[in-house]
Amino acid sequence: DIQMTQSPSSLSTSIGDRVTITCRASQTISSYLNWYQQKPGKAPKLLIYAASSLQSGVPSRFSGSGSGTDFTLTISSLQPEDFATYYCQQSYITPRTFGQGTKLEIK
Amino acid sequence: QLQLQESGPGLVKPSETLSLICTVSGGSISSSRYYWGWIRQPPGKGLEWIGTIYYSGSTYYNPSLKSRVTISVDTSKNQFSLKLSSVTAADTAVYYCARHRSIVVVPAAPPDWFDPWGQGTLVTVSS
Repeated sequence: DIQMTQSPSSLSTSIGDRVTITCRASQTISSYLNWYQQKPGKAPKLLIYAASSLQSGVPSRFSGSGSGTDFTLTISSLQPEDFATYYCQQSYITPRTFGQGTKLEIK
Repeated sequence: QLQLQESGPGLVKPSETLSLICTVSGGSISSSRYYWGWIRQPPGKGLEWIGTIYYSGSTYYNPSLKSRVTISVDTSKNQFSLKLSSVTAADTAVYYCARHRSIVVVPAAPPDWFDPWGQGTLVTVSS
């Protein structure tokens, strides 16, 4: 299985901050990388697919980049509704696997 | 707008079979463009893909669970289902169903991302 490692595991941030979350794959996955946002008690929501494509309806302050083994999710200016846990997921090899999550907390 | 809803028992005894149904509304499960998947999340932990099915009945399973998992589809009811046998406490989790899709579906491989998701249902394994 491909292991997906996110960093940091948690991050204390403030409204308006620029935030970058990193996801590293244990082997190359080309651009087969997706990002999700999960709020407490809710299902995950797709933000970014194929490493950099913004899902319809997702605010443009979210962006994704990377290829190969290293990927980033960037939130350009953090809003109150963005405090949540973020997961990356690879779709290069079966089984599909997720990172362990990065929790954004209010500073 | 496509919606998915999980249903089934919230409590299952150890060694028994967990059974859940996902009902799809606002769209057809028989669409040739989409697959349908199950994902689970133990309390306070991360996400694990369980398996995926196409309306024709073809399936993909996570090898770690394959020996215990069966996913099936009922196109007449616009539903797909999950059965997980011989459960233990380690199978306690929130179980989600989701549409599983890609821009282009590659033969002999499950699709790429999950969207949208159902709200999830907590299944506890306990005697």
